Amino acid sequence: AQSVTQLGSHVSVSEGALVLLRCNYSSSVPPYLFWYVQYPNQGLQLLLKYTSAATLVKGINGFEAEFKKSETSFHLTKPSAHMSDAAEYFCAVNPFTGGGNKLTFGTGTQLKVEL
Amino acid sequence: DTAVSQTPKYLVTQMGNDKSIKCEQNLGHDTMYWYKQDSKKFLKIMFSYNNKELIINETVPNRFSPKSPDKAHLNLHINSLELGDSAVYFCASSRSGETEAFFGQGTRLTVV
Repeated sequence: AQSVTQLGSHVSVSEGALVLLRCNYSSSVPPYLFWYVQYPNQGLQLLLKYTSAATLVKGINGFEAEFKKSETSFHLTKPSAHMSDAAEYFCAVNPFTGGGNKLTFGTGTQLKVEL
Repeated sequence: DTAVSQTPKYLVTQMGNDKSIKCEQNLGHDTMYWYKQDSKKFLKIMFSYNNKELIINETVPNRFSPKSPDKAHLNLHINSLELGDSAVYFCASSRSGETEAFFGQGTRLTVV
């Protein structure tokens, strides 16, 4: 079964600093990978997705992620953190196979942005 | 315009009660889902419907019964509520052939 592992349940950065949220996947076939963001008391919003078209994926709000097959990683980055980036971030994988179209989520990373 | 909308947003009820959560999407999608987010924010799929047909049922207790009257609606009925059912329930939808899902704002269910 496909799965994702998010390293670090809490990440704290200073405003203006680089944001790096880590995600590693486990899959026997090329996966479909996603990053979602959840602001407090809100639903999940899609940040970006990887569907094998390009290894560097650009998303909304200045975020991007790079698919690295050799490292089985799909880390999320943003060059300069903003206070409004404080939220919970989820990495997810979709096998998109005969098992049905479903997302399997990581355990989430809480991003805190400090002045 | 709200793409995936759920009602109610908050639901507080006593153990043993029966309650329903409604979900509607206006995206023209043909697949809808229910996900459960527990107190540790872990998200897990419960059900998936495609064109009103149940596709995925992830070993959810029989007390949970989804109903899809049409492609745009997927409701969740829960019988005999238990304390452990307290969670945030998210409805989502997607289009056949596409991998990402669009989520509603969630329903925070508290069983007391």
